[in-house]
Amino acid sequence: AQSVSQHNHHVILSEAASLELGCNYSYGGTVNLFWYVQYPGQHLQLLLKYFSGDPLVKGIKGFEAEFIKSKFSFNLRKPSVQWSDTAEYFCAVNTNAGKSTFGDGTTLTVKP
Amino acid sequence: GAVVSQHPSWVICKSGTSVKIECRSLDFQATTMFWYRQFPKQSLMLMATSNEGSKATYEQGVEKDKFLINHASLTLSTLTVTSAHPEDSSFYICSALGSYSGDNEQFFGPGTRLTVL
Repeated sequence: AQSVSQHNHHVILSEAASLELGCNYSYGGTVNLFWYVQYPGQHLQLLLKYFSGDPLVKGIKGFEAEFIKSKFSFNLRKPSVQWSDTAEYFCAVNTNAGKSTFGDGTTLTVKP
Repeated sequence: GAVVSQHPSWVICKSGTSVKIECRSLDFQATTMFWYRQFPKQSLMLMATSNEGSKATYEQGVEKDKFLINHASLTLSTLTVTSAHPEDSSFYICSALGSYSGDNEQFFGPGTRLTVL
């Protein structure tokens, strides 16, 4: 069975700081990887996804993630965060069955 | 983009009653829908996978007789929480996978907050 681990439970940053959120997964086969964001009181939105090809994936709102197969990692990055990036971030993995497994989430708080 | 709706968005019910939650794919056909449960400050936990025209597949530990899932059409799946109790209070989220998305991308509904008194 696949599993997803997000290392940081709560990250607090000041505006303009750089962000990196860790995500590691365990699964021996081919996986699709996702990062979702959930703003307070809102539903999940897709930030970016990786299926194949270039392991450096660019998403919305200036976010990017790098798939490193040898490390089973898919870390999320943003060079300069804004107050509006305050939200919950979830890493997810799914296999060919389409069933997703989510990490526990990371709460990002950006101080203005 | 693909839109998934849920109804109701918020429901309060008395203990012992049943509650039905609808999940609809508005602009695409969803061959598969997923139902998740999310507790406050926690991640999404998959409850079941629903395929159109067949029985749902439940995750380990999820009572199929308590959480009835019906996927009667390619655009609608329903989750019925039967004989609800306070411990069933949670945020229920559906997602849809289908012809719109192509590569295993799921589109999530806005969620339904259930409060059982």
